[in-house]
Amino acid sequence: NAGVTQTPKFRILKIGQSMTLQCTQDMNHNYMYWYRQDPGMGLKLIYYSVGAGITDKGEVPNGYNVSRSTTEDFPLRLELAAPSQTSVYFCASSLVRQGTGELFFGEGSRLTVL
Amino acid sequence: KQEVTQIPAALSVPEGENLVLNCSFTDSAIYNLQWFRQDPGKGLTSLLLIQSSQREQTSGRLNASLDKSSGRSTLYIAASQPGDSATYLCAVKPQAGGTSYGKLTFGQGTILTVHP
Repeated sequence: NAGVTQTPKFRILKIGQSMTLQCTQDMNHNYMYWYRQDPGMGLKLIYYSVGAGITDKGEVPNGYNVSRSTTEDFPLRLELAAPSQTSVYFCASSLVRQGTGELFFGEGSRLTVL
Repeated sequence: KQEVTQIPAALSVPEGENLVLNCSFTDSAIYNLQWFRQDPGKGLTSLLLIQSSQREQTSGRLNASLDKSSGRSTLYIAASQPGDSATYLCAVKPQAGGTSYGKLTFGQGTILTVHP
């Protein structure tokens, strides 16, 4: 099983550019999440989704947008990239209510904004 | 607001030692608690998941306990090996309902180094 797949793994952006981080899972999980991890810090929740068509803000949503048109995909859009968005981004998914709620992570996307 | 604290922030031990990592949380209304391992430059790998109704979970040399009433979890690693060197994080999922459901809260992690 592929599990949670993120692309791209690395990206360098210029200030003001936009991009989309892709995330897809093949486990039919209902919940999906986007986190960012800054050096020496824990993970902070950006956005999450409890199912197709439903998204909600986490701790640090400013500067980001998400959509969930299908169960499998949960892309994260950065508009007008800023140096403060330099970070490692992790997508995760879990099966809640019907499952244990265990969280599965992708390998991460390392983004640098210059 | 849920806060999760991990102590110690870093730990260095010789190979073969048994060790304990601590995780404390402020709100006991949790759905589950999960321990992860993260190797440098890599994603998070799930180690153990404890549901709110459980007291402990075991996997190989790892044992995680949960005391909801005191807001604590411990991860016990037996007979540590150099390959155990990594950052260990705990995360708490809140109970169903309310506006916080789905918003997992992570601790800052404990950096473990096991030297030969």
